[in-house]
Amino acid sequence: EDQVTQSPEALRLQEGESSSLNCSYTVSGLRGLFWYRQDPGKGPEFLFTLYSAGEEKEKERLKATLTKKESFLHITAPKPEDSATYLCAVPEYNFNKFYFGSGTKLNVKP
Amino acid sequence: DSGVTQTPKHLITATGQRVTLRCSPRSGDLSVYWYQQSLDQGLQFLIQYYNGEERAKGNILERFSAQQFPDLHSELNLSSLELGDSALYFCASSVTIGNEQYFGPGTRLTVT
Repeated sequence: EDQVTQSPEALRLQEGESSSLNCSYTVSGLRGLFWYRQDPGKGPEFLFTLYSAGEEKEKERLKATLTKKESFLHITAPKPEDSATYLCAVPEYNFNKFYFGSGTKLNVKP
Repeated sequence: DSGVTQTPKHLITATGQRVTLRCSPRSGDLSVYWYQQSLDQGLQFLIQYYNGEERAKGNILERFSAQQFPDLHSELNLSSLELGDSALYFCASSVTIGNEQYFGPGTRLTVT
């Protein structure tokens, strides 16, 4: 069965301390990988879509990259407002379903 | 604001009862998804509609049903509620199948 695994489950950083979150997937024939940010009690907010290995996308302090087996969300010089749970998702080959990872809960301390 | 609206925001009901959750997708979006999120389960896909037609089912219980109406809004009906149904229920929409999804603010259901 298609699976999405995110690591680490939780990450505590000091403000300005850069790091990376990982999303590995085992779908057959990737049709895109999606990153979302979720604040407590709110709906996930779309960040990026990546479609092919080698692709990169950036938004402020976030950069997402994709390989054939995994994606990384790099956070450069994070600020406390970057604290959230980051989710990745991949669609089934026919787009009937989306599989979400369990997320990485990021806490950035000032 | 994603443009997806969900009502009600909160719902408290008793076991055995039936509730209806409502979702209005972003203007122009044809695809609607429903998800359940509980503390120990993460975001679980329930069901997908595209332009009024059911397209895919995920881990949706037989006690749950949904539909998408001609104006593209959607409703999720939960019946014979159990304590374990307490969760956040999210609706998401996308322009078409396979595109990024935009999530609503969710309905928090508490079954007592």
